[in-house]
Amino acid sequence: AQSVTQPDIHITVSEGASLELRCNYSYGATPYLFWYVQSPGQGLQLLLKYFSGDTLVQGIKGFEAEFKRSQSSFNLRKPSVHWSDAAEYFCAVGPRGRGKLQFGAGTQVVVTP
Amino acid sequence: DSGVTQTPKHLITATGQRVTLRCSPRSGDLSVYWYQQSLDQGLQFLIQYYNGEERAKGNILERFSAQQFPDLHSELNLSSLELGDSALYFCASSVGTSGEADTQYFGPGTRLTVL
Repeated sequence: AQSVTQPDIHITVSEGASLELRCNYSYGATPYLFWYVQSPGQGLQLLLKYFSGDTLVQGIKGFEAEFKRSQSSFNLRKPSVHWSDAAEYFCAVGPRGRGKLQFGAGTQVVVTP
Repeated sequence: DSGVTQTPKHLITATGQRVTLRCSPRSGDLSVYWYQQSLDQGLQFLIQYYNGEERAKGNILERFSAQQFPDLHSELNLSSLELGDSALYFCASSVGTSGEADTQYFGPGTRLTVL
């Protein structure tokens, strides 16, 4: 069965520290991969996406993600978090050419001073 | 701001009632998607329309229906509402349905509360 797993429900990180959010997927073929962020009371904002090519992708707000085919992973990283990065982060996968996204359960990130 | 608009922002109604949620896609986008976000189910895909035609269906209840109009806006109709339908309903849009044209941009959502 197809699935998207975000193993960490909740992460607390100090401002200025690095952040890594994990995402693993189970799919028949390499899907399209996305990270979205949801701030409290807000919609989902696209951080970055992977379709093909370079496995290290850069996104907005200083985030990057690395696609590792052998590990079926697409982990999100940021070298130095800011208080404004406190939000819920969702990994999503989509079958090539067929639209609908399947989301992970999300990881809530809390940033402490 | 993604360019996708949704109205209303909040909706409070009673069990058994019917509501309509509206979505206007980004300018130039032909594809519209509806998702439901609830505490117990997370983010679930409901349905997709492309240029007025239904393209894909997810776990959408028979009490729910949607359509996309010639001007490409979409409406999601929820009827015989139950307490469990309380959720955040998102609309997303994309240019097309393949490759990078399939990148979905989300609206701010409509929060539905059924009392």
